Amino acid sequence: AQSVAQPEDQVNVAEGNPLTVKCTYSVSGNPYLFWYVQYPNRGLQFLLKYITGDNLVKGSYGFEAEFNKSQTSFHLKKPSALVSDSALYFCAVRDMGYNNNDMRFGAGTRLTVKP
Amino acid sequence: GAGVSQSPRYKVAKRGQDVALRCDPISGHVSLFWYQQALGQGPEFLTYFQNEAQLDKSGLPSDRFFAERPEGSVSTLKIQRTQQEDSAVYLCASSSGGRGPRSSYEQYFGPGTRLTVT
Repeated sequence: AQSVAQPEDQVNVAEGNPLTVKCTYSVSGNPYLFWYVQYPNRGLQFLLKYITGDNLVKGSYGFEAEFNKSQTSFHLKKPSALVSDSALYFCAVRDMGYNNNDMRFGAGTRLTVKP
Repeated sequence: GAGVSQSPRYKVAKRGQDVALRCDPISGHVSLFWYQQALGQGPEFLTYFQNEAQLDKSGLPSDRFFAERPEGSVSTLKIQRTQQEDSAVYLCASSSGGRGPRSSYEQYFGPGTRLTVT
């Protein structure tokens, strides 16, 4: 079965600095990888995904993530953080197995960007 | 609107009561998912529909949980004889893809229903 780990409960960065939110995964086959963001009292919003191809994936709001197969990681990055990026971020993985409908989420990382 | 909607947004139930949570997916989306999100945790998969067919219910925690999507659009998650451990946010998501390679399609989430069992 697939699983996801987000090793940091909380990440704090200053506005304008680069940010990284870490994610590692475990699957038996090849992974589909996703990042979602959750603002208070709102549902999860899709940011980006890795399916195949280029290891560097660009998504919404200037975010990007790098798929690293050897390290089984999919860290979320942004070159210059904004205060409005403060939210809860979830990494998710889905095994590419045909009959697998189960997408596993990490426990989430709370990002706080300070002015 | 064009997004996934859920109702009610908040539900307080006394232990032992039955509840029904509604999800309106994005029009035309084939796949519909229900998740349970406990406080401080990521969403956990409950069940999956492709059109009206419930293809996977492996995540439902007990036989008190039941989901349906009779016409392949709106879905209802029903919890019978609610218990305190059922308190959580219940998220619905839909996607345009079905099974197989199209399962790479991202899911679009509703705002959730916060269930509190007292």
